Amino acid sequence: KAGVTQTPRYLIKTRGQQVTLSCSPISGHRSVSWYQQTPGQGLQFLFEYFSETQRNKGNFPGRFSGRQFSNSRSEMNVSTLELGDSALYLCASSLASQGNNSPLHFGNGTRLTVT
Amino acid sequence: DQQVKQNSPSLSVQEGRISILNCDYTNSMFDYFLWYKKYPAEGPTFLISISSIKDKNEDGRFTVFLNKSAKHLSLHIVPSQPGDSAVYFCAASGFGGGGGADGLTFGKGTHLIIQP
Repeated sequence: KAGVTQTPRYLIKTRGQQVTLSCSPISGHRSVSWYQQTPGQGLQFLFEYFSETQRNKGNFPGRFSGRQFSNSRSEMNVSTLELGDSALYLCASSLASQGNNSPLHFGNGTRLTVT
Repeated sequence: DQQVKQNSPSLSVQEGRISILNCDYTNSMFDYFLWYKKYPAEGPTFLISISSIKDKNEDGRFTVFLNKSAKHLSLHIVPSQPGDSAVYFCAASGFGGGGGADGLTFGKGTHLIIQP
């Protein structure tokens, strides 16, 4: 079974630009979550989608948004990029949404560098 | 305020011995706990989990212990192997493994180094 696939693996953008990251979950998984990893803050929750609906959202500004398609694939968008947005963005999928003991399975991430 | 703490940034263990990684949490609403392993340039890999109704869960060389009264959990790896060298993250959830209102809350990680 293929794992979680994230594209692209690396991205370099300049301040003020916007970026879209893509995630394909494990086949059969309907929940997709996004996390940001930085050296200072560690892994932080961005949002979770289940059946095309955003179920939960972390403490990030509105510049961070996402969506999920009917095939469970998800995209994450960051607008008006800032230097502090440089991070590893990780997508994770699971069989079920919150309320079930279904562990998250992560992709290898997209390394975003903002210059 | 860190709700999940891994107080040891690094841990060095001899090959063949037991590795014990520790994690403390402060939020009493957490009811599901997970351990992940991470190699450089890869995403975290799920290792093992435990719900708050249990105090121990085993999977091969990995055992997780949960002490709810102390708000403490630990991961035991026996015997430790060179391939176990990685960063280990403890994570917690308030609603179950998929993430609660704030998703999974992660500790900052412990770098485990297995010495030959």
